[in-house]
Amino acid sequence: EDKVVQSPLSLVVHEGDTVTLNCSYEVTNFRSLLWYKQEKKAPTFLFMLTSSGIEKKSGRLSSILDKKELFSILNITATQTGDSAVYLCAVGGGATNKLIFGTGTLLAVQP
Amino acid sequence: GAVVSQHPSRVICKSGTSVKIECRSLDFQATTMFWYRQFPKQSLMLMATSNEGSKATYEQGVEKDKFLINHASLTLSTLTVTSAHPEDSSFYICSANSGGRLEETQYFGPGTRLLVL
Repeated sequence: EDKVVQSPLSLVVHEGDTVTLNCSYEVTNFRSLLWYKQEKKAPTFLFMLTSSGIEKKSGRLSSILDKKELFSILNITATQTGDSAVYLCAVGGGATNKLIFGTGTLLAVQP
Repeated sequence: GAVVSQHPSRVICKSGTSVKIECRSLDFQATTMFWYRQFPKQSLMLMATSNEGSKATYEQGVEKDKFLINHASLTLSTLTVTSAHPEDSSFYICSANSGGRLEETQYFGPGTRLLVL
């Protein structure tokens, strides 16, 4: 059965801290891995990763994929209160054309 | 960029009534639309895949007679929660795929919060 697991489930940090969110997967016919940020509405796209070892970066956020060990990490440096959200990992692949979402990580950044 | 709208954004209804949620792709034709449900502090759970002009494909454990999906055109899919009960209260999100590889062309709607009293 295809599955995507994220850790930790929740995390509380202070402003300025650096956080690392984890996503591991077991998905047949893997195509790509995506990270989303979700506040109170629908998820907003952050990154799409298809190749191992190539870091994607956007401001204070960065992400990398390891297709051998079947995981990805999302790093956020110098966290701000506006980074507080649920971060979702999703994998494209499986037996049918759909995204398989992970459990999500709830990040709370305290002032 | 591609825009997907949902209506209503929020709905409160009495137990036993039916609620219809619309998902529209505003500036592209969506060959496939997906309906997700999200309970508080949980991830998105795919309910069904909707293809224009054909019957929806439901995920295991999702009652197709309770969650009616109609994808009558390339820009509109509707989800009707029939005989809603309090346990159906949730955040319902649709996404639309404009064709090509799903990951690159899936766009989410803003979601609909349903509260059943």
